[in-house]
Amino acid sequence: NAGVMQNPRHLVRRRGQEARLRCSPMKGHSHVYWYRQLPEEGLKFMVYLQKENIIDESGMPKERFSAEFPKEGPSILRIQQVVRGDSAAYFCASSLTARQGTDTQYFGPGTRLTVL
Amino acid sequence: AQKITQTQPGMFVQEKEAVTLDCTYDTSDPSYGLFWYKQPSSGEMIFLIYQGSYDQQNATEGRYSLNFQKARKSANLVISASQLGDSAMYFCAMSLPGSARQLTFGSGTQLTVLP
Repeated sequence: NAGVMQNPRHLVRRRGQEARLRCSPMKGHSHVYWYRQLPEEGLKFMVYLQKENIIDESGMPKERFSAEFPKEGPSILRIQQVVRGDSAAYFCASSLTARQGTDTQYFGPGTRLTVL
Repeated sequence: AQKITQTQPGMFVQEKEAVTLDCTYDTSDPSYGLFWYKQPSSGEMIFLIYQGSYDQQNATEGRYSLNFQKARKSANLVISASQLGDSAMYFCAMSLPGSARQLTFGSGTQLTVLP
């Protein structure tokens, strides 16, 4: 039973390029969350998606960042025109249902983004 | 707004001994979930244990137990019989009901198990 899959595991981009991070949730999970972890810090929520819908993007920067979870295929976190401050580990998590406050989120291995 | 506080940046424990990692939380919502995750040096986030706000008993998962004191708003993680492989960063997190089900994380505690 495969866990949450993320690729690539490591991504290097130059300033101004685009970064695309992919996440496939656990089998049967329809809720996907993206988090960012800056060096020496805890994880910070970015966005919560269900299939074809963004439910909550309150943690996502207003510019350059976007996320989607299409009907078919993985969830994508897209960062346009990357800057050095975008260098971080980006984690995807998924949950089975989204009942009130009880659903465990299982995390993927993360994508380490380095912006040169 | 909810908040998670972990006051121990680093902890040391001797192999085979028990250790308690502290976590306090702040929310006005009566319904919430509390989680502990482990992040080893390899970087992945591993779910350890969950406690619901209405659960009557403290959660246990193998060598992990959660000391839940609702009145004090604390949810400390107890690791019994520490092993060298327990050396990692440990994060406490909380989720709330509603449309925003994101986890709010503490700053983490770096645990080092000494041989």
